Amino acid sequence: AQTVTQSQPEMSVQEAETVTLSCTYDTSENNYYLFWYKQPPSRQMILVIRQEAYKQQNATENRFSVNFQKAAKSFSLKISDSQLGDTAMYFCAFMKQRGGSEKLVFGKGTKLTVNP
Amino acid sequence: DSGVTQTPKHLITATGQRVTLRCSPRSGDLSVYWYQQSLDQGLQFLIQYYNGEERAKGNILERFSAQQFPDLHSELNLSSLELGDSALYFCASSVDSRGTDTQYFGPGTRLTVL
Repeated sequence: AQTVTQSQPEMSVQEAETVTLSCTYDTSENNYYLFWYKQPPSRQMILVIRQEAYKQQNATENRFSVNFQKAAKSFSLKISDSQLGDTAMYFCAFMKQRGGSEKLVFGKGTKLTVNP
Repeated sequence: DSGVTQTPKHLITATGQRVTLRCSPRSGDLSVYWYQQSLDQGLQFLIQYYNGEERAKGNILERFSAQQFPDLHSELNLSSLELGDSALYFCASSVDSRGTDTQYFGPGTRLTVL
């Protein structure tokens, strides 16, 4: 079974600074996807970024980028130029790649606070 | 707005009761997933339906059941409710065309069992 570990329950950062959230996972699969979802106080789950394991290039979405280290089974999220609206729970998630879509396996989350 | 809708937003009920949560997927999405988010268990996968058929089961209790209708909306039925069933229940949907699809989440239904 796959497991996802987020070792930082809480983090804080000053507005405009950069912060990195950690995620490690355990799997015997070779083909899979990794995601970061954001859950603000509204409780909505919002996709932040997605990475395909077969791609060596790290995914980026505006101020959000990942550092994907397949051999180390590590998938960290970097948020640049942090904004107050980035305050949220961040969940790392794993999905196997099969013929059809699979379930998401989530980590416990990291609570990020952006301070003015 | 993800395009996935869930009703109701909030539900307060008593132990022993039965409730139904409803989900409408994004237009064109064939797969629906149900997840439960609780303080002690985190986010856990319950069940997946694809085009009306059950595809995968996770940590879903026998007191819980789900179905997906011909118009692709889905309902999650929770019966004989216990205090521990209080949680946020999410529905997510994906196109599920090649196993590479991202799941988009609805706003959730917050269930409180008193």
